[in-house]
Amino acid sequence: AQKITQTQPGMFVQEKEAVTLDCTYDTSDPSYGLFWYKQPSSGEMIFLIYQGSYDQQNATEGRYSLNFQKARKSANLVISASQLGDSAMYFCAMREMDTDKLIFGTGTRLQVFP
Amino acid sequence: EAQVTQNPRYLITVTGKKLTVTCSQNMNHEYMSWYRQDPGLGLRQIYYSMNVEVTDKGDVPEGYKVSRKEKRNFPLILESPSPNQTSLYFCASSGTGGRINQPQHFGDGTRLSIL
Repeated sequence: AQKITQTQPGMFVQEKEAVTLDCTYDTSDPSYGLFWYKQPSSGEMIFLIYQGSYDQQNATEGRYSLNFQKARKSANLVISASQLGDSAMYFCAMREMDTDKLIFGTGTRLQVFP
Repeated sequence: EAQVTQNPRYLITVTGKKLTVTCSQNMNHEYMSWYRQDPGLGLRQIYYSMNVEVTDKGDVPEGYKVSRKEKRNFPLILESPSPNQTSLYFCASSGTGGRINQPQHFGDGTRLSIL
């Protein structure tokens, strides 16, 4: 069954440091997409980065990169040079080609301190 | 401006009183979806629609109805709301070109309290 697991309920990181947020997934569909979203305290959902199951290279978007290890079924988000504005809830999500459903993990709350 | 618009943003109501949360997108997206967000559970998909007149159940459809009569609108209907439907609701849309690589565009959310 399709499933996303985020094992870190909360993470702390100092400003300017890098941080990795973990995400593992489970699917039997060979074709799928993985997404990361940011939810600040204001509540909106902001799309950060996408990785396709057939993509050969890890996705990057500015300070965000995705450490995609297909054999281990993990898609960790790496935020480099953390900023205070990165403090938010982060969700990993997966969409399968077969079902078109989008499944979210339970999220990781990141706190960046000065 | 490209956006997904939900109304109302906040609603407090009572058990059993039918309510509708509207959702509209101006991006000509085929795919639309409703989610509820609860503490510790993340976002869970309620219903989704691949196109006009095509809807499918997500993971938590019980107690909800949807319709997709027009491409831009995807209302969520609670025929007889109950307190366990108190939650934060999001509507989202995406294009289907390339399908799985299309990120969802989210509305600002509707905070629903059912007493």
